[in-house]
Amino acid sequence: EVQVVESGGGLVQPGRSLRVSCTASGFRFGDFTVSWFRQAPGKGLEWLGYIQAKIHGGTIEYAASVEGRFTISRDDYKNIAYLQMNSLQIEDTARYYCARARDVLQWRPDGFDMWGPGTVVIVSA
Amino acid sequence: EILMMQSPDTLSVSPGERVTLSCRASQSVSSNLAWYQQRPGQAPRLLMYDSSTRATGVPARFSGSGSGTEFTLTISSLQSEDFAVYYCQQYLYWPPGYTFGQGTKLEIK
Repeated sequence: EVQVVESGGGLVQPGRSLRVSCTASGFRFGDFTVSWFRQAPGKGLEWLGYIQAKIHGGTIEYAASVEGRFTISRDDYKNIAYLQMNSLQIEDTARYYCARARDVLQWRPDGFDMWGPGTVVIVSA
Repeated sequence: EILMMQSPDTLSVSPGERVTLSCRASQSVSSNLAWYQQRPGQAPRLLMYDSSTRATGVPARFSGSGSGTEFTLTISSLQSEDFAVYYCQQYLYWPPGYTFGQGTKLEIK
């Protein structure tokens, strides 16, 4: 089945770190740019960052709100993308989604057409 | 700073009706605008990109238009599965990167 699935969420204390994963199947993962988004409870969507496919240079870009705290990486052999989150705060509580770019040919995608169900991160003491 | 503003926040409509959702950008984004649908309890789904191009598998009852700062998403005849939250998103300005509107919720009247 062609899909991406997030994992690794959970309850974490403020100031601690957590790494969530995005496991892909059914397609050539390495050819696609992958992005991370989040959605706080009852709120809208927020883009966190993306990692380009290596064919486009593998560039990583972040939203200003998380740059310096969050790190995106990928392992194309394992078909997994990662979101490392450090110094987590209460306001980082959200469902975290990964999504695949619509078009392999674009180095900066115009849309993300495959989303996972998300993984929930709760930051609480 | 680019801001995306959607109106209205909530729209109550009946199945079968035609509905138009609006999205306004604080600066011109040309046609670099996407629309996403998020049904309750589900992940977002890409509906449109480049303002008016339907994504793969999106029914023809969905259409997008606009350029610059004013955009619309029209659903010609609402089906039960269309009751959801709709987000617009710009992808012209880097930084800040992909920027979403606050969403418009379509609810059953």
